[in-house]
Amino acid sequence: TQLLEQSPQFLSIQEGENLTVYCNSSSVFSSLQWYRQEPGEGPVLLVTVVTGGEVKKLKRLTFQFGDARKDSSLHITAAQPGDTGLYLCAGDPAFANDYKLSFGAGTTVTVRA
Amino acid sequence: NAGVTQTPKFQVLKTGQSMTLQCAQDMNHEYMSWYRQDPGMGLRLIHYSVGAGITDQGEVPNGYNVSRSTTEDFPLRLLSAAPSQTSVYFCASSDLQGPGYTFGSGTRLTVV
Repeated sequence: TQLLEQSPQFLSIQEGENLTVYCNSSSVFSSLQWYRQEPGEGPVLLVTVVTGGEVKKLKRLTFQFGDARKDSSLHITAAQPGDTGLYLCAGDPAFANDYKLSFGAGTTVTVRA
Repeated sequence: NAGVTQTPKFQVLKTGQSMTLQCAQDMNHEYMSWYRQDPGMGLRLIHYSVGAGITDQGEVPNGYNVSRSTTEDFPLRLLSAAPSQTSVYFCASSDLQGPGYTFGSGTRLTVV
């Protein structure tokens, strides 16, 4: 059983459409991170959110941390083929008091031209 | 370029063989870790280290050993390879204060 559940597992959309990826847990997290991974490469950090209710924007990507710090979402506006990849959320549980991250299983996003 | 370097990129082993996956970082990060990535299971922590001379087990440590003699290097040793260890292995590093991990480009290991 994974500490972080991501949904959906797969997402295929047309260029120009919007999409949202969800990351949920029953545990509280001190911080939560989003990564994007392309085939044959390691994950690359997109953003870290640390405050409940926090919203961060990175160009067409909007990240939100839930008020209770148990969930997060990633919204992409006007998706482009370059947004294709595996999106992973990761968090450090508030109860753990260590430096280890727990990862969700990921959402595979395909943006068709 | 600064970052995390993993070698080799690809490796095929026979059951029972041993090998070491290399990981080096040049960012003076205290924290280093090894993950394996399998389809549908995300990234699972094998071992981690918060500084030279300090290592600890993660979620799936069986069959793997690590050591951390320097800040820069964190090798992962497979003692006696098994087909269940076929996976993609990633090394990651970070400052203890965050804000996030820097990953290597991975080693794809196949055990036959």
